[in-house]
Amino acid sequence: GESVGLHLPTLSVQEGDNSIINCAYSNSASDYFIWYKQESGKGPQFIIDIRSNMDKRQGQRVTVLLNKTVKHLSLQIAATQPGDSAVYFCAVGGSYIPTFGRGTSLIVHP
Amino acid sequence: EAQVTQNPRYLITVTGKKLTVTCSQNMNHEYMSWYRQDPGLGLRQIYYSMNVEVTDKGDVPEGYKVSRKEKRNFPLILESPSPNQTSLYFCASSPGTGPNQPQHFGDGTRLSIL
Repeated sequence: GESVGLHLPTLSVQEGDNSIINCAYSNSASDYFIWYKQESGKGPQFIIDIRSNMDKRQGQRVTVLLNKTVKHLSLQIAATQPGDSAVYFCAVGGSYIPTFGRGTSLIVHP
Repeated sequence: EAQVTQNPRYLITVTGKKLTVTCSQNMNHEYMSWYRQDPGLGLRQIYYSMNVEVTDKGDVPEGYKVSRKEKRNFPLILESPSPNQTSLYFCASSPGTGPNQPQHFGDGTRLSIL
């Protein structure tokens, strides 16, 4: 089955810096990738997604990069703000049962 | 407002006492699912439903039941809860019949089984 790993459980940054959160997956047949943000006491919220026919997708202050060769996914947050403090995790699809990573806790220092 | 609503938000109960966690969505989504979230582990899917009267097992279905009699509701049933089912549970929904769309999550139900 699919396995999804994240490289860092915690990432601390200064307000205004750019943040990069990484995710690795195992199944080369996976074709849908999504990033969620989870704030304390709340359910995950969709941030951005990308399909396997793309290698980059941009949203407002966020960019997702997909490297299918090494099975790696990253989320870049530009000009990180205190409100970005949360747990971020990726999810990998391709079947009816998505696989979620364990999450990186992003801490933004003012 | 588009939302997924779970009830209760918190529950402390005892081993063996049947309980139901309700989930309702107002977006007319076909796909609904239940997850549990445990420290150090990613979200793990318990059950999912592609549409009314269509349900299937996820990764960790043991000890749980679901039903999908109406499109908007997808209750999670623990017939005989045990302490290893103490966890944070999330219900989610998305359009289409698979999870390859952004899922909308409820705010979670924290269950403690003593």
